[in-house]
Amino acid sequence: GAGVSQSPSNKVTEKGKDVELRCDPISGHTALYWYRQSLGQGLEFLIYFQGNSAPDKSGLPSDRFSAERTGGSVSTLTIQRTQQEDSAVYLCASSLAPTLTSTDTQYFGPGTRLTVL
Amino acid sequence: GENVEQHPSTLSVQEGDSAVIKCTYSDSASNYFPWYKQELGKGPQLIIDIRSNVGEKKDQRIAVTLNKTAKHFSLHITETQPEDSAVYFCAARGQGGKLIFGQGTELSVKP
Repeated sequence: GAGVSQSPSNKVTEKGKDVELRCDPISGHTALYWYRQSLGQGLEFLIYFQGNSAPDKSGLPSDRFSAERTGGSVSTLTIQRTQQEDSAVYLCASSLAPTLTSTDTQYFGPGTRLTVL
Repeated sequence: GENVEQHPSTLSVQEGDSAVIKCTYSDSASNYFPWYKQELGKGPQLIIDIRSNVGEKKDQRIAVTLNKTAKHFSLHITETQPEDSAVYFCAARGQGGKLIFGQGTELSVKP
């Protein structure tokens, strides 16, 4: 079946504007993760969903960042009042993960490249 | 806190040679260690993973070893080919299932 998809693939916005990034996980995957990858850097964990709830939001860098997941499927990451330091690639991953102790493989989407001017 | 260190940051090898990338992790409770390959403009793709109940796993030209006592794990690529050129990330599973990633290794395989 289809893999993880993300939209848009690229987003250019002006400082101070709000942006929404979308993630469609693999069908049937209950766990969904958001990561951020800054230029030349590793991946930084942002938030994790199990179903529609977010047991771990510890990676969100500020209160300008929020995320939701509805119907146990699509997730949206929202960044309010964007700043230049928010420029990065935002990656989404999903896994079967029926329990919090699962070691199921995480499958990544292609990412959304966000540029804040 | 949870941390993964990855070395080297860049690695250049001749086609046919072997490449080794090493990682160390801090959380002794980590029990799952995947390796991802990321090509330019794409998301990371899983190439191999190992769970803490085994010490070594092999898949064709790729192998991973794990030393839980020392909290080290390594990726070995044999008979490298130009298409192996990419950025490779190691990761350790942290609390709640999130992956803690290393900083990445840019592998260049010269024909």
